[in-house]
Amino acid sequence: DAGVIQSPRHEVTEMGQEVTLRCKPISGHDYLFWYRQTMMRGLELLIYFNNNVPIDDSGMPEDRFSAKMPNASFSTLKIQPSEPRDSAVYFCASSLSGIGYTQYFGPGTRLTVL
Amino acid sequence: TQLLEQSPQFLSIQEGENLTVYCNSSSVFSSLQWYRQEPGEGPVLLVTVVTGGEVKKLKRLTFQFGDARKDSSLHITAAQTGDTGLYLCAGGWGGADGLTFGKGTHLIIQP
Repeated sequence: DAGVIQSPRHEVTEMGQEVTLRCKPISGHDYLFWYRQTMMRGLELLIYFNNNVPIDDSGMPEDRFSAKMPNASFSTLKIQPSEPRDSAVYFCASSLSGIGYTQYFGPGTRLTVL
Repeated sequence: TQLLEQSPQFLSIQEGENLTVYCNSSSVFSSLQWYRQEPGEGPVLLVTVVTGGEVKKLKRLTFQFGDARKDSSLHITAAQTGDTGLYLCAGGWGGADGLTFGKGTHLIIQP
């Protein structure tokens, strides 16, 4: 069974450019999470969806960040315009609801903004 | 904002030694999870604890949830080089809402 799939695995872009990160969750999972990981701040929750509906986007750093989940098998995280401080590893994770649930993480997208 | 403090931040020991890492918070959690992350990969769940005082064992790894459900520890017996990685604890407050992660303990086991 395929795990969470993220693309691209690596992205290098210049400041001011638009960046789109993609995620395919595990089939049947009803929750999808976007995280950002840096050495300084660790793993931070950006936004999560339940049944394709955004539930909590309080972790999104600013209006330059947006996320969508048009259907149960696809989500995007967009940064426009990108800035050097956005450089990080972005993870997507999915889970089934319930106490003590497990979040399954994708391999991450390493974003470098020059 | 609920915070999870992990200690130590970095730990390097010789193969065969024992070690304990800690995860502490001022908040009460409904569940607490431990993940291990290897370079270039996403975190992978090791264990979930939900009951105060609960102890779970996974081979050489022993996980304990504090009685007050505010803290947890991970003890590794006879560490092996394959245990090297970033160990993250994550607290949940019920349901499947987003977890709050600690910054992790970077563990290096020297051969």
